[in-house]
Amino acid sequence: EDQVTQSPEALRLQEGESSSLNCSYTVSGLRGLFWYRQDPGKGPEFLFTLYSAGEEKEKERLKATLTKKESFLHITAPKPEDSATYLCAVGPTQKLVFGQGTRLTINP
Amino acid sequence: EAGVTQSPTHLIKTRGQQATLRCSPISGHTSVYWYQQALGLGLQFLLWYDEGEERNRGNFPPRFSGRQFPNYSSELNVNALELEDSALYLCASSIPGTVNTEAFFGQGTRLTVV
Repeated sequence: EDQVTQSPEALRLQEGESSSLNCSYTVSGLRGLFWYRQDPGKGPEFLFTLYSAGEEKEKERLKATLTKKESFLHITAPKPEDSATYLCAVGPTQKLVFGQGTRLTINP
Repeated sequence: EAGVTQSPTHLIKTRGQQATLRCSPISGHTSVYWYQQALGLGLQFLLWYDEGEERNRGNFPPRFSGRQFPNYSSELNVNALELEDSALYLCASSIPGTVNTEAFFGQGTRLTVV
């Protein structure tokens, strides 16, 4: 059974303090690693898809990387508006398995 | 371009009643997915519809069911509601045919069972 574990559960940073979120996965065959951002009471917003080990993708202050066992979401010089829960999931798209998420708070 | 839309935003039902939740996918998307996000739990896969057929379901009892219409919109029905069915129900859609394409989510329906 595919499993996804995210750490830490919660993370508080000061504005401008860079850090990384971890997503460890156990799957029989990786069919996509997905990162989403979720604001309270809202649906998840798609951020990135990673397909193979060594792949990296960037969007503004976020960079996602992938190895054979885990993915990292690096946040560089975060701003308060980056506060949200970040979710990772493994595919296939047709039956995503999500981790519990990391609740990120950026203090001004 | 319109995203995935869900209605209603909030729904309050009494235990034992039935709830119907609706979802309209992004134009051009034929696959629709339903997820449950209960408090303290992660997103749990419920159902997958494509081309009007149920293609897969998660570990939920049969009282969770749904359908997909010819215009690819979808309904989720929950019968004999129980208190633990209270959750945010999320619908997502994607283009068909690939196992690692992006799924885009709606804003969800908050179901409260009292």
